[in-house]
Amino acid sequence: RKEVEQDPGPFNVPEGATVAFNCTYSNSASQSFFWYRQDCRKEPKLLMSVYSSGNEDGRFTAQLNRASQYISLLIRDSKLSDSATYLCVAKAAGNKLTFGGGTRVLVKP
Amino acid sequence: DTGVSQNPRHKITKRGQNVTFRCDPISEHNRLYWYRQTLGQGPEFLTYFQNEAQLEKSRLLSDRFSAERPKGSFSTLEIQRTEQGDSAMYLCASRDQGVDYGYTFGSGTRLTVV
Repeated sequence: RKEVEQDPGPFNVPEGATVAFNCTYSNSASQSFFWYRQDCRKEPKLLMSVYSSGNEDGRFTAQLNRASQYISLLIRDSKLSDSATYLCVAKAAGNKLTFGGGTRVLVKP
Repeated sequence: DTGVSQNPRHKITKRGQNVTFRCDPISEHNRLYWYRQTLGQGPEFLTYFQNEAQLEKSRLLSDRFSAERPKGSFSTLEIQRTEQGDSAMYLCASRDQGVDYGYTFGSGTRLTVV
């Protein structure tokens, strides 16, 4: 079993719609959580950190549920430019980031 | 350019050959990471340096792989006797000590072993 698991998708989303997806993590020692965005054949780029109280950055909302060990990302008013792979990341004490396999999102006109 | 720089961008090599990749981190970042990513998967951790010291190595890093970071600046990742299974994107990231979220990735080196 992978340490961080995600639905690979793709999630086909009409432009302007809302899409949400989760990831689960198995290492209960994980302390920090992030969502990264990766465009095709590009490097991952930090989208947002995920805080216990939940946090919002524009059209993006991230939630953390420590009891059930899952993280969610919600995208409102989807834009064509939101089409990408979204990587869920967990980090325990120490230094390495543990990535999920990614959720592919395709926003269509 | 003040980002993380990786060279070469692409490398095609024959099975059995040795290859070496280079990563130049952001200059003030003392921590440097190597990851490997295959198609349809997320990046997998390979190894990590704090300054010149290699502090952690993944089990993925077989004996054919070696990484160095002399003088705590740039890093090299060498793969000896390449195999087709080594074909992947090799990503380097750096961050500053004490900044939990500030991992910056380079554009990667795409290796194809034929």
